[in-house]
Amino acid sequence: RKEVEQDPGPFNVPEGATVAFNCTYSNSASQSFFWYRQDCRKEPKLLMSVYSSGNEDGRFTAQLNRASQYISLLIRDSKLSDSATYLCVVNERGNQFYFGTGTSLTVIP
Amino acid sequence: AAGVIQSPRHLIKEKRETATLKCYPIPRHDTVYWYQQGPGQDPQFLISFYEKMQSDKGSIPDRFSAQQFSDYHSELNMSSLELGDSALYFCASSRGLARLETQYFGPGTRLLVL
Repeated sequence: RKEVEQDPGPFNVPEGATVAFNCTYSNSASQSFFWYRQDCRKEPKLLMSVYSSGNEDGRFTAQLNRASQYISLLIRDSKLSDSATYLCVVNERGNQFYFGTGTSLTVIP
Repeated sequence: AAGVIQSPRHLIKEKRETATLKCYPIPRHDTVYWYQQGPGQDPQFLISFYEKMQSDKGSIPDRFSAQQFSDYHSELNMSSLELGDSALYFCASSRGLARLETQYFGPGTRLLVL
């Protein structure tokens, strides 16, 4: 079983839609959680860290549920530029990070 | 702002050859990570260094080795290359422990083994 699992999608949504991604992790001792965005053939870029209390950055909201071991990302008012692969990343200990397989999002005009 | 630099950006090798990938972290970053991303797959953590010492080891094959030098740049040495080593290799850097500080990725080195 992978340490981090995501629904690979693809998610195809119209502009302006709200879309949510979930990610589950297997190690209850995991310490840090992140959402990264990766455009085709480019490097992953940090979208946001995920905190226990949940956090919001503009149209993006991230939530952490430690009891159920999942994190979520909500994107409101989707833009064409949001089309990318969204990677869930979990740090279990030290400097070792586990990536999910990514969820592909395409925002359609 | 300066970013993580990786060289070369593209590399073509034949089976059983060796390859060396280089990573130059963001200035004042002391931690470097290496990841391997195969086609259609997620990045797999290989190894990390903090202050020139190996800090964590992931799924790095025994045929690979890496080190971090006094100027904090890092090199990933790959020997006896196999077809399955064809992948995008990312280097990332952070200042201190990345669970506390943001990890920034370089543009990657695309390795093709023929």
